[in-house]
Amino acid sequence: DSGVTQTPKHLITATGQRVTLRCSPRSGDLSVYWYQQSLDQGLQFLIQYYNGEERAKGNILERFSAQQFPDLHSELNLSSLELGDSALYFCASSVAGRTGTDTQYFGPGTRLTVL
Amino acid sequence: GDSVTQMEGPVTLSEEAFLTINCTYTATGYPSLFWYVQYPGEGLQLLLKATKADDKGSNKGFEATYRKETTSFHLEKGSVQVSDSAVYFCALSPRNSGGSNYKLTFGKGTLLTVNP
Repeated sequence: DSGVTQTPKHLITATGQRVTLRCSPRSGDLSVYWYQQSLDQGLQFLIQYYNGEERAKGNILERFSAQQFPDLHSELNLSSLELGDSALYFCASSVAGRTGTDTQYFGPGTRLTVL
Repeated sequence: GDSVTQMEGPVTLSEEAFLTINCTYTATGYPSLFWYVQYPGEGLQLLLKATKADDKGSNKGFEATYRKETTSFHLEKGSVQVSDSAVYFCALSPRNSGGSNYKLTFGKGTLLTVNP
């Protein structure tokens, strides 16, 4: 158990809908990262938040957004869903100190199926 | 930009065989290097890491050495078990001084199947 929790575990929805994925980081970790794992694209970095602020963006679609709340949990919002958004969405957390190296610990993932 | 290249799978071995999964990277500066493992139906688990040249990461019998001269971080295990069957991902993150961006760049993953 990494200490990172994600809910829900599975999500099935229809095209055009909107969903919210939730992540709680390990105790003490300030950074939260979101990744998408799909068969064709592999594991891709979406976005990072550090202590409530957006820190880095990767291959995140404009239909997707995220935020990190004062208690450090994070939510990833996916809207106007398309079939191609079906994937595993992972959250990871780390201490993310200001210098040196860092290690990310991953949650179990949320499997999104868009029908 | 940063990239990671892993050997294509799948890799199928018999129990107690020697394992090597090749990984090479392209990055600016001196990134940290990681191997993550994903067991069927589960999330990613950190297997081992190395943060500077010539460092050797090791865990559960797996080893990998950070080779700056060949930009490689090959994963090895002397004697695999059926329970090692999983997908293995090589990854890197930039070394960052002053910021807090440590996003991981992953290879495509290598599926390992170990038969009894």
